[in-house]
Amino acid sequence: EVQLVESGGGLVQPGGSLRLSCAASGFTFTDYSINWVRQAPGKGLEWLSQISERGDIIRYADSVRGRFSTSRDNAENSIFLQMNSLRVEDTAVYYCARDNWAVDYWGQGTLVTVSS
Amino acid sequence: QTGLTQPPSVSKGLRQTATLTCTGNSNNVGNQGAAWLQQHPGHPPKLLFDRKNNRPSGISERFSASRSGNTASLTITGLQPEDEADYYCSSWDDSLVGRVFGGGTKLTVL
Repeated sequence: EVQLVESGGGLVQPGGSLRLSCAASGFTFTDYSINWVRQAPGKGLEWLSQISERGDIIRYADSVRGRFSTSRDNAENSIFLQMNSLRVEDTAVYYCARDNWAVDYWGQGTLVTVSS
Repeated sequence: QTGLTQPPSVSKGLRQTATLTCTGNSNNVGNQGAAWLQQHPGHPPKLLFDRKNNRPSGISERFSASRSGNTASLTITGLQPEDEADYYCSSWDDSLVGRVFGGGTKLTVL
């Protein structure tokens, strides 16, 4: 069974940093790119980043480029999202999701709240 | 990041047919196709169709997807109460070099 489990969310002050993790299981991790997608409260889905199978190609949305950084550890079947210079508008549920001709499997998400 | 365009809401009666649309351009839907996702409140999205219109196992045959030019469509026949949800389309944008989502359509089953 494909599983993606996010962790690391929480409350952080504006300007602060947070590192999210995504643990994958149930599939050959190195065969797939992985995305980070977020959803602000009551809002739609926003794509943030995609990292390729080997981690050598990483793409970002304009809204987070330069502040967020995606990486992966294929030995640990894990993906990471380092978030710096956080803003109130970054408050959202953050999902990691597998890429396979679409974003096909999603984790349950982890809530990040940016507030003073 | 420019997104795809979806109507914010659609309302249909029980057992009726709903068709949801998703409009993009030649850099995304027109060239890459569109995937469809269903999201119930408090849950992560679930894939209904990939961008080649393949339906994952377990997805009801009452759901179908198609595309004409830069517009993708999701049709749900015989609407049931459990179909009430938010529906999102998604594509890859060759110009933006990233994934794009529609704003979502809230489907209400009356």
